[in-house]
Amino acid sequence: GNSVTQMEGPVTLSEEAFLTINCTYTATGYPSLFWYVQYPGEGLQLLLKATKADDKGSNKGFEATYRKETTSFHLEKGSVQVSDSAVYFCALSDTGANNLFFGTGTRLTVIP
Amino acid sequence: GEEVAQTPKHLVRGEGQKAKLYCAPIKGHSYVFWYQQVLKNEFKFLISFQNENVFDETGMPKERFSAKCLPNSPCSLEIQATKLEDSAVYFCASSQSRAVNQPQHFGDGTRLSIL
Repeated sequence: GNSVTQMEGPVTLSEEAFLTINCTYTATGYPSLFWYVQYPGEGLQLLLKATKADDKGSNKGFEATYRKETTSFHLEKGSVQVSDSAVYFCALSDTGANNLFFGTGTRLTVIP
Repeated sequence: GEEVAQTPKHLVRGEGQKAKLYCAPIKGHSYVFWYQQVLKNEFKFLISFQNENVFDETGMPKERFSAKCLPNSPCSLEIQATKLEDSAVYFCASSQSRAVNQPQHFGDGTRLSIL
């Protein structure tokens, strides 16, 4: 079946620190992978995506590479800001499935 | 519109009452999805539509939950005889197609509180 396993957190970092949030997946077909971000009191916003193996998605300084050999899609950012404080969700869509499968979310708090 | 619009933002109901939530998808998007976000951020897929037709309802609790997407109207999710366990944030999302590489665009959610 389809599932996403995500680093639980919470994660607390100082401003300008390096961020990694781990995400691994299982899928039966040829999935696309997504990172969504949820700021306090808001809905989910698409942060980045990758649609095939070795693709790198990037946006706002965040990056994630679709690694088929390790079934991973880890989120990274070189220097976090206070404004990056949010909950981050890894998700996949798969051929033959009609909905997104989400990880449990990782709360990131960045302190000045 | 350019965004998925969900109303109301917050809905409070007494146990046993009816709750109705609305979602206007992005103009031009053919697919609408409803998700329930419960404690600890878990997302549960409820139902999806292709235009006004139910596409996948495998996640819907059959007895009390119903949903519609009628032409020229916002989509709706209705819960009859609400229970405490229905308290959650309900998200609507829309996408242009069901292609695997098409992202779903989410609204801000409706927080349903059952007292």
